[in-house]
Amino acid sequence: EVQLVQSGAEVKKPGESLNISCKTSGYSFSTYWIGWVRQVPGKGLEWMGIIYPADSDTKYSPSSRGQVTISADRSISTAYLQWSALKASDTAIYYCVRPSASQYLEFWGQGTLVTVSS
Amino acid sequence: DIQMTQSPSTLSASVGDRVTITCRASQNINRWLAWYQQKPGSAPKVLIYRASTLESGVPSRFSGSESGTEFTLTINSLQPDDFATYYCQHYSGYPWTFGQGTKVEIK
Repeated sequence: EVQLVQSGAEVKKPGESLNISCKTSGYSFSTYWIGWVRQVPGKGLEWMGIIYPADSDTKYSPSSRGQVTISADRSISTAYLQWSALKASDTAIYYCVRPSASQYLEFWGQGTLVTVSS
Repeated sequence: DIQMTQSPSTLSASVGDRVTITCRASQNINRWLAWYQQKPGSAPKVLIYRASTLESGVPSRFSGSESGTEFTLTINSLQPDDFATYYCQHYSGYPWTFGQGTKVEIK
């Protein structure tokens, strides 16, 4: 059974750094893309980017490029989403997603709420 | 980048109604389109992929169709469990994008 288990909710101040994680199991981590989708509470879904763990090939949305870093650790089958300097506008729920072989978003993590407030 | 325009943003319907949600792509996406259902407090789940293929375990009252760059999600005989928000998403080249969402409310 494929599982994506995300790290817990975070409360941070503007300017702080943050790394949230997505621990996977039940499939070969290296051979499937894994990515992130953002949702401001009460708003729609926004695709942020995706990484192929086997070679670390990474694709970002235009709005996410340069704002976050997506990475993956094959040794522990875990994907990460990282900020070096959070902004209040980063407040959102972040979902880890694993596409199927044909790339639709087949599996979703439970979501991680990130709150950025002074 | 490909834009996905979804309509309506809100839809009021009754149990037993037939409901239709539309998503228009700004260019050809070769049927690389999925539909998701999201309920409050939960992650989205896929209903349909490749425009019209029903995901395993999804009730057959859900169906998808396509005509050029216009895609339709139809729910036949709306059930109480179907009141939720629905999103389309293309996966025809990066960046992938979602439609704005359609909230199906109880009339």
